Amino acid sequence: AQTVTQSQPEMSVQEAETVTLSCTYDTSESDYYLFWYKQPPSRQMILVIRQEAYKQQNATENRFSVNFQKAAKSFSLKISDSQLGDAAMYFCAYVSGRGRDDKIIFGKGTRLHILP
Amino acid sequence: EAQVTQNPRYLITVTGKKLTVTCSQNMNHEYMSWYRQDPGLGLRQIYYSMNVEVTDKGDVPEGYKVSRKEKRNFPLILESPSPNQTSLYFCASSLYGQEWTEAFFGQGTRLTVV
Repeated sequence: AQTVTQSQPEMSVQEAETVTLSCTYDTSESDYYLFWYKQPPSRQMILVIRQEAYKQQNATENRFSVNFQKAAKSFSLKISDSQLGDAAMYFCAYVSGRGRDDKIIFGKGTRLHILP
Repeated sequence: EAQVTQNPRYLITVTGKKLTVTCSQNMNHEYMSWYRQDPGLGLRQIYYSMNVEVTDKGDVPEGYKVSRKEKRNFPLILESPSPNQTSLYFCASSLYGQEWTEAFFGQGTRLTVV
């Protein structure tokens, strides 16, 4: 069964610094999708970034980028120039690309604190 | 505006009193799912549906029911709620096929069972 592991329950970073959140997953599939979601105190789940496994190029969205290592089954999120608004719970998620009987599997989350 | 609408946002109920949390999406997504979020456990999938009249169990389906009679609606039913079902619940929808899009989430429902 597929699993998603976020090994850092909490992290802190100084404002304007760079932080990397780790995520590893286990799957026997070759075609799948990976996501990072942000959950601020408002509880709303917000997509940060999406990566297709068949693409070797790492996805980026402004200050957010990923380091996708398919062979290592690793999908870390880098936040550059951290801002106070980045403080949130971050979830890594996986879904198979088979298009049938697909579960979206989430990690347990990493709570990120931004220190002013 | 593309959205997933969940109701109610907050609910306090007593043990054993049947309740339904509604979920509706306006994006014509095939895939809909329900999650519960508990501290330290992340989001765990309760049920999911890949299309109308097709539902499957997620990782924690016990004590829950769902139905998918229409593409836009995917209600979560607790026939006999118990205190261990006190949690934050999310409904989400996605488009899949050639590609998986992001999951669009509802605003969440905070359920307390006393």
